[in-house]
Amino acid sequence: QITLKESGPTLVKPTQTLTLTCTFSGFSLGTRGVGVGWFRQPPGKALEWLALVYWDDDKRYSPSLKTRLTITKDTSRNQVVLSMTNVDPVDTARYYCAHRHAGYSGAGDAFDIWGQGTTVTVSS
Amino acid sequence: QSVLTQPPSVSGAPGQRVTISCTGSSSNIGAGYDVHWYQQLPGTAPKLLLYAYTNRPSGVTDRFSGSKSGTSASLAITGLQAEDEADYYCQSYDRRVSGSVFGGGTKLTVL
Repeated sequence: QITLKESGPTLVKPTQTLTLTCTFSGFSLGTRGVGVGWFRQPPGKALEWLALVYWDDDKRYSPSLKTRLTITKDTSRNQVVLSMTNVDPVDTARYYCAHRHAGYSGAGDAFDIWGQGTTVTVSS
Repeated sequence: QSVLTQPPSVSGAPGQRVTISCTGSSSNIGAGYDVHWYQQLPGTAPKLLLYAYTNRPSGVTDRFSGSKSGTSASLAITGLQAEDEADYYCQSYDRRVSGSVFGGGTKLTVL
């Protein structure tokens, strides 16, 4: 059974760096085809993809946030960490991590298992 | 503004059929990238409903189905039930983004 859980601060001050951790079980990021993505959803708004790391350490970022994001994986600890620098109140959102659907072999990615999310508020 | 375009809302009575459209462009759906659909019940995380247009993950009822036409995709829900009231999102890959893109979401109201 695959599970993911996000953790991190609930309140961050503007200009600070936000660090979120996704701790997962039921799969290994060392297995070919596996990936973990990060997403966010501001209150009342749509989902937004942020970043994705694959089993081979290939990393992808949303172009609009690329300069502020870093995604890393720790295969031995079953964790994926997302860092976002210079946060602003517009970064207030619920942040989710999700497992890339291994049963999907097409181009691109589908995400079949999601964490419950963690709410982050950016405010002074 | 989202890369994929969905209607903000749809509604239907219990038992009816509704469809939700998702319109893309030549850099995503039109380029041959698949569309996936997610259901987000109030206060919960998204749930994968369909992948690659028509494939249902284990446990998803066959009342949900999908289709493709040109640079658009559609999600159909038959036999509407109160429990279907949720937000629905389409997602695809965009080669200009080199990553995933979502629609703006559609709120389904069961009357």
